[in-house]
Amino acid sequence: KQEVTQIPAALSVPEGENLVLNCSFTDSAIYNLQWFRQDPGKGLTSLLLIQSSQREQTSGRLNASLDKSSGRSTLYIAASQPGDSATYLCAVTYNTNAGKSTFGDGTTLTVKP
Amino acid sequence: NAGVTQTPKFRVLKTGQSMTLLCAQDMNHEYMYWYRQDPGMGLRLIHYSVGEGTTAKGEVPDGYNVSRLKKQNFLLGLESAAPSQTSVYFCASSYWQDQPQHFGDGTRLSIL
Repeated sequence: KQEVTQIPAALSVPEGENLVLNCSFTDSAIYNLQWFRQDPGKGLTSLLLIQSSQREQTSGRLNASLDKSSGRSTLYIAASQPGDSATYLCAVTYNTNAGKSTFGDGTTLTVKP
Repeated sequence: NAGVTQTPKFRVLKTGQSMTLLCAQDMNHEYMYWYRQDPGMGLRLIHYSVGEGTTAKGEVPDGYNVSRLKKQNFLLGLESAAPSQTSVYFCASSYWQDQPQHFGDGTRLSIL
């Protein structure tokens, strides 16, 4: 079974810290990997999408990396702010899945002022 | 742009009742998906569609049916609701399988 794991389940940091969220997957034959943000009671907002041929993607204070050989992706958040508090999910689309994604359970981030 | 719109936002049903959840997107996306999100289970794919007139089963399709008669709409039906179907349901769409998925705000469904 293709699985996606996110550790830790929860993370609390003071404002201004740089932090890394982790995502690991069991099958290296991925099509792409997407990072999402989910605020309480809301849907998911796409942050970054990395194609299998790419090593990283950047958007503002966010940087996502992909290492297929080790089955890992990281989401780096620079200079964290209280507004970054949310649950962050990664989703992996595998080559054989016609666009279907497997989601991790997410990491809930709290940034304290 | 409205993006992905889900109706209704909340609903309470009794066991055995039926209902249809509507998802509408205005981005001309080919792919559409229905997920359910449950505590400790994460997001799980129920059904999906790769274009108008097509549907396919996801990870947890039992008890649900779908239709995609128009490109912009993807309907999820519960024929005979069960308490195990109490969940938050999310619809998503993408232009193609290598493009980002856009999500609606969800439908919170309780079945008593």
